[in-house]
This record gives sequence, structure tokens and C-alpha cells, in this order.
Amino acid sequence: DGGITQSPKYLFRKEGQNVTLSCEQNLNHDAMYWYRQDPGQGLRLIYYSQIVNDFQKGDIAEGYSVSREKKESFPLTVTSAQKNPTAFYLCASSIMTGGSNQPQHFGDGTRLSIL
Amino acid sequence: RKEVEQDPGPFNVPEGATVAFNCTYSNSASQSFFWYRQDCRKEPKLLMSVYSSGNEDGRFTAQLNRASQYISLLIRDSKLSDSATYLCVVRLNTGFQKLVFGTGTRLLVSP
Repeated sequence: DGGITQSPKYLFRKEGQNVTLSCEQNLNHDAMYWYRQDPGQGLRLIYYSQIVNDFQKGDIAEGYSVSREKKESFPLTVTSAQKNPTAFYLCASSIMTGGSNQPQHFGDGTRLSIL
Repeated sequence: RKEVEQDPGPFNVPEGATVAFNCTYSNSASQSFFWYRQDCRKEPKLLMSVYSSGNEDGRFTAQLNRASQYISLLIRDSKLSDSATYLCVVRLNTGFQKLVFGTGTRLLVSP
């Protein structure tokens, strides 16, 4: 089945550790996104990529890094510089038709906590 | 002021009731509008796009008022399975066409 797969579902980070969240899609979507969701807050954009080998910072990119070496994959690294990493992380993708984004479709998320 | 504002609720309604959610947005450059549904501890899922003329999908009706910068979602004949958080989402007409998410309105449908 086509979809977006995030792994792991749950992740624990130790102080000073970098961790990487995986996001893979087989929808042939051009654009991919990473969001963070905190309780009582809307989704906030961390990074996005509209094409392979290119990505842009979103609203809260500090302490995070990404890569887009393949169309299907957009991993997110939460670095030790991110002092408050505990959140629900959501990866999304969309097609781009005529320069406009279509609605985004989400993976089932990764919950990250600090040990 | 938040870019997209929603009443957080919760809205507690009995099965079979009609319930309406409202959403206002502040950026007049907003281009497209959506309602997403998010179940507890799950990912958001697209419920429906919102068109200027209004649109309906079964028991769900969405309306857009660009002049007032206001979006609504009406759910008729509520089911227990409608219990969820409903996110109002706006796409800006900027170079990237970013999506801006409201914090959501929680709906609880009881027997």
C-alpha cells in the first residue's frame, strides 16, 4: 500500500545525544515536511524539501537537521542543541501540481522523550 | 494574534446532534483551506478541502467566507466515531505556500 512510514514510533534521547527520525514515502511525492506538535499547540514546521538535494528551514529549525538524498526519504536529526526535544514529530508529503502544493498527508508520527 | 484561531473546546454533544466549528485566519494572502481530523495520539488526516462556494461530503459541510476570513465545519447526525480533534488549516499564497495549522477543536460525542 502507498503511504508514509515513520520510525521508530517511540524514541528516547539521552542528554547530549543526537537522534535520527526516519521518514519514507512511496507515494512519489515531490515535497516532504517535518513538523513538531506539542500539547495544546498547532503543528509547527521544522524543515521542508520540495526537491531532492534541496531543503529549507521552517519556523523552528534550530537544533534540527535534515537531508534529502532520495525522493522517498527525508530523515530528521534532533541534535543535542535542541534543548526541549520532547514532542510528537510528524512527517508529511505532498505532490506539487502547477507549482501549487496539494494537501499534505502525514505519517503516523514518532514520540520523542528525554531520558 | 494567532494566524489561525479555533475554539479549543471540548464540545460535548449527544449522538445525533448537529455541531458547528468555527475558525478565523488573519492572513489575507491565504489561498487554500482544509479541515483535518486528528484522533488522540495519532497523525492528522485530511477530512476535506474547503471551497469558496461551500462544499459537502456526506454529513460534513464546510463553508468559507473570504471577506470575514472565516471558515466553518458543520457535522450533522454526530456519531460516536466523530469524537476527535478537528484542525483548521490554511495555505498561504507565499513562495513556498506554507500550511498554517490551528490548535484544533476537540469534539466528544456521547451515547
